[in-house]
Amino acid sequence: AQTVTQSQPEMSVQEAETVTLSCTYDTSESDYYLFWYKQPPSRQMILVIRQEAYKQQNATENRFSVNFQKAAKSFSLKISDSQLGDAAMYFCAYTLRGHNFNKFYFGSGTKLNVKP
Amino acid sequence: NAGVTQTPKFQVLKTGQSMTLQCAQDMNHEYMSWYRQDPGMGLRLIHYSVGAGITDQGEVPNGYNVSRSTTEDFPLRLLSAAPSQTSVYFCASSSAQERTQYFGPGTRLLVL
Repeated sequence: AQTVTQSQPEMSVQEAETVTLSCTYDTSESDYYLFWYKQPPSRQMILVIRQEAYKQQNATENRFSVNFQKAAKSFSLKISDSQLGDAAMYFCAYTLRGHNFNKFYFGSGTKLNVKP
Repeated sequence: NAGVTQTPKFQVLKTGQSMTLQCAQDMNHEYMSWYRQDPGMGLRLIHYSVGAGITDQGEVPNGYNVSRSTTEDFPLRLLSAAPSQTSVYFCASSSAQERTQYFGPGTRLLVL
């Protein structure tokens, strides 16, 4: 079964500190894409970062970076220098490459609180 | 470049009424999808399309119909609204090459 597990339903971080959100997934395929999406109170789903499974180098986008461990099927998100605007739900997801339709498998989300 | 747009933003329906949620994208994406998001349940796929004229069911298709006559538009029809369909609905699109899904702003639906 294709599943995504986010084991931390809620986390808190102090402004300017660093926080890491965990994600593990289960697939027997070897070629896929991984994503982190942010959903602020406005409900808009915003792409944070994208990783291609065949690339060993971890993706980074400004203050956001991932730790991709393919053998462990782990894809954690690190947020550095946390800002109040980072407070949101964060969803981990993946989709398989090479299929006719890229069905997305989403985790249940982690709510991130940022304390001033 | 508007990306993915959805209308309406909010709708109240009575049980048994029908309505259509509109979704449009201007990125020439092949793939389009409809999700519903309920508290504590994440995103669940309702229907999807891999191109104009081609649609298929997702995880929770009952009570919903879709069609895709053009690349740009992918409306979702509620045939006879039920309180269980109270949810937030998201439309998303992606290209076959890039595979990243881009989401619309969502439609909040309340069925009384």
